[in-house]
Amino acid sequence: EAGVTQFPSHSVIEKGQTVTLRCDPISGHDNLYWYRRVMGKEIKFLLHFVKESKQDESGMPNNRFLAERTGGTYSTLKVQPAELEDSGVYFCASSQADTFASLPEAFFGQGTRLTVV
Amino acid sequence: DAKTTQPTSMDCAEGRAANLPCNHSTISGNEYVYWYRQIHSQGPQYIIHGLKNNETNEMASLIITEDRKSSTLILPHATLRDTAVYYCIVQNRLYGNKLVFGAGTILRVKS
Repeated sequence: EAGVTQFPSHSVIEKGQTVTLRCDPISGHDNLYWYRRVMGKEIKFLLHFVKESKQDESGMPNNRFLAERTGGTYSTLKVQPAELEDSGVYFCASSQADTFASLPEAFFGQGTRLTVV
Repeated sequence: DAKTTQPTSMDCAEGRAANLPCNHSTISGNEYVYWYRQIHSQGPQYIIHGLKNNETNEMASLIITEDRKSSTLILPHATLRDTAVYYCIVQNRLYGNKLVFGAGTILRVKS
């Protein structure tokens, strides 16, 4: 079974440009999350999709970030226009639907390293 | 979300048990304790989780104190590949499934 796939693995763009990151979750996982780690800081939550709906976007830093999840499958995270402080590693994670018994564990992708110059 | 406190770093000899402590003194009754780790340049990896009882899987054991204010992750026979940052996370269904990562513990397994 394929894991969570992120594309590209690395991206270097100039300040002011647009970048789109893609995440393909594990098939059948309703929950999809975006996280990021900027240099020297902790991994921070960005947002959470349940199927195609945004459940929680409290971690999105500002309106230059736009996340979508078409048809509840893959997700994209667009940064427009990119700023220097957006540099970091962006992780995507997915998990199965919640059950009464427990919160399901999240499976993470390898991340996209974004460098804004 | 409840806060967790972990030591900044720990060393462990290869083949020995690694015991990673975590303090979560403000944990509430419906919050689970989860452990993840991040090996250099990879995405975080789930290890184990528990609510009240001790848990064991093929990777590790989780010991939760009776008052649930602290827990210990045990890697029974640490290998060099276990060198990573280990995160203890308390997760509450009320806040969705988002993970709140702290600084974690850097575990260095040495030969």
